[in-house]
This record gives sequence, structure tokens and C-alpha cells, in this order.
Amino acid sequence: NAGVTQTPKFRVLKTGQSMTLLCAQDMNHEYMYWYRQDPGMGLRLIHYSVGEGTTAKGEVPDGYNVSRLKKQNFLLGLESAAPSQTSVYFCASSRAGEFHEQYFGPGTRLTVT
Amino acid sequence: AQSVAQPEDQVNVAEGNPLTVKCTYSVSGNPYLFWYVQYPNRGLQFLLKYITGDNLVKGSYGFEAEFNKSQTSFHLKKPSALVSDSALYFCAVRDLNSGYSTLTFGKGTMLLVSP
Repeated sequence: NAGVTQTPKFRVLKTGQSMTLLCAQDMNHEYMYWYRQDPGMGLRLIHYSVGEGTTAKGEVPDGYNVSRLKKQNFLLGLESAAPSQTSVYFCASSRAGEFHEQYFGPGTRLTVT
Repeated sequence: AQSVAQPEDQVNVAEGNPLTVKCTYSVSGNPYLFWYVQYPNRGLQFLLKYITGDNLVKGSYGFEAEFNKSQTSFHLKKPSALVSDSALYFCAVRDLNSGYSTLTFGKGTMLLVSP
């Protein structure tokens, strides 16, 4: 099993450009998450999904949109990138339920100039 | 609202010595607690979790953690540190009253193990 994969691994955008980050998992997990990691800030939840076709806002959703059209995929979109969105983005997935651990992808390093 | 505090940005320990990485939490109900480790340029890896039962939880790579409800703490421990344990460690909590399975992470503690 590949686990959780993310594409691309690196990306540089100019302010105002758009892009989509793709997350895929092959563990048949119900729940999927997008986080951003910034120095000294830990991980902050952007959006999450508890099933195909459903999404919800996390702690820092502004400037991002998500879609979960297929159970195995979770897309994170930036419509108009800003320098404040320079970060490392992690996708994670987990089984449904309250006490299951999350499995993380390798991350996408995004720089917005 | 739930929260997690990791009071130390960095912990330094010599190889072979015991290590402790501290975590305290705040939730409105009973907590589910997790520890994750992040090696350089990698995603987070699950180490261990406390759900219920025995206050001492054993996890991967020889790590364990002690849940202390009265002190609202969940410190990560290892009896004998290895240089390869050097990494960034995150504590996370889920509040049982929060609905869905979302976690709140601490800011992380860098563990440096010297030879």
C-alpha cells in the first residue's frame, strides 16, 4: 500500500495564481484532512471531510476550498494565492470514529512570491 | 475549546539517558490523546495514543506516555534515548464533545539526542 500520497511535492506560485493540491489514500479511510504547518505554529487544520461529498471548515479555512468527489481523493484549492499561504501542506486520513489515529502524507512545500 | 501545550521548544538529551517530552491539555470532557513524530522533510508518524484504561501507554520505537488526569498531562518518555530519536514531536488531543474526529495539535518539541 502506498498509504497517503500528495502531489506535487514542491510548488512556487506568484501572488494571485491558483493551484490545486491532490491527496490520495488507498486505505479506504472515511475521514480526510488538510493541514498547514508553519514554524512555531504546529499543525493547523484547514478543512476536513468525513465522507465522499462532504466537507467542513477547520481552524484556518480562509483562502482555501476543498472537494471530496471520490472517497480516496481530497483536493485542496487556492483560488488566488497570497504570500501568507507560503507553508508546508499535509494531507491525512483516518478510519471513521473518535479514536483512530491519522495517517499523514509526505507534504507539499508551497512558496508564494 | 480544546487545546494542547508543549512547554518546551527543544529538549536536549545524551544518548543512553532517559528522555521526557512534556504535554498538557485542556478539554471540556474526557480526552483522547496522541503523540506523533516528524522526521526532517517527512510527514507525521503516529507513535501512541491514550483512549481509556491503563494510564501508561506503550507505543512504537520504545516510547511510552503517562496519562495523568489530575495534572491534565500526557508526557512522552523513553528509558534510553537514541541519536535516531532526534526529531520533532507533536502532542495532540481530541475532545470527545467536539463531534467529529478532528485533532488539535501542540506547537511541537524538537528533541535532539547527542552521541
